[in-house]
Amino acid sequence: NAGVTQTPKFRVLKTGQSMTLLCAQDMNHEYMYWYRQDPGMGLRLIHYSVGEGTTAKGEVPDGYNVSRLKKQNFLLGLESAAPSQTSVYFCASSLAGTANTGELFFGEGSRLTVL
Amino acid sequence: DQQVKQNSPSLSVQEGRISILNCDYTNSMFDYFLWYKKYPAEGPTFLISISSIKDKNEDGRFTVFLNKSAKHLSLHIVPSQPGDSAVYFCAARNYGGSQGNLIFGKGTKLSVKP
Repeated sequence: NAGVTQTPKFRVLKTGQSMTLLCAQDMNHEYMYWYRQDPGMGLRLIHYSVGEGTTAKGEVPDGYNVSRLKKQNFLLGLESAAPSQTSVYFCASSLAGTANTGELFFGEGSRLTVL
Repeated sequence: DQQVKQNSPSLSVQEGRISILNCDYTNSMFDYFLWYKKYPAEGPTFLISISSIKDKNEDGRFTVFLNKSAKHLSLHIVPSQPGDSAVYFCAARNYGGSQGNLIFGKGTKLSVKP
């Protein structure tokens, strides 16, 4: 069982370039999230989705866009990359409703460097 | 303003002894508290959780204690093993806030020395 899969694992961009990170989960989870992890900052929520076709902003949404066209996929886009977006990005998913006790299932991370 | 705080960036413990990782929070609306463990180059993995209506939850070598009046929780690992060396994140869920997402502390790096 693959769980949560992120692609690509590593990417180097130049300032101003665009790219998309793909997250796929095979657990039939309703909720999906994108977090970024920076040294000394913990994990900060960028955007999240509570179901197919829905998205919402998290704590640090600026400079990112997301789409949830299919239940199993959650895409994170950078339209014009900036050095401040150099980070490790984690996708996560979880159950919905009363079954949700807060437990998130994370992917392995995508390391993005913006030069 | 940080709602979940882990004030110790690192902790070093001898193998076989107890590891105690601490976490403080400010939001009384949090209904679940969780601990995640993260190894380098891997995603965080769920370790243990506790509901706000309980004060203790135990799972093998791991026990989480919650003191609501002090807005404080702690993770005890007994006995500590070298394989426990990782970064531990405390996280909390806001029942009245966004659906399901967690607010994380900055993490504590635990080193267990043989």
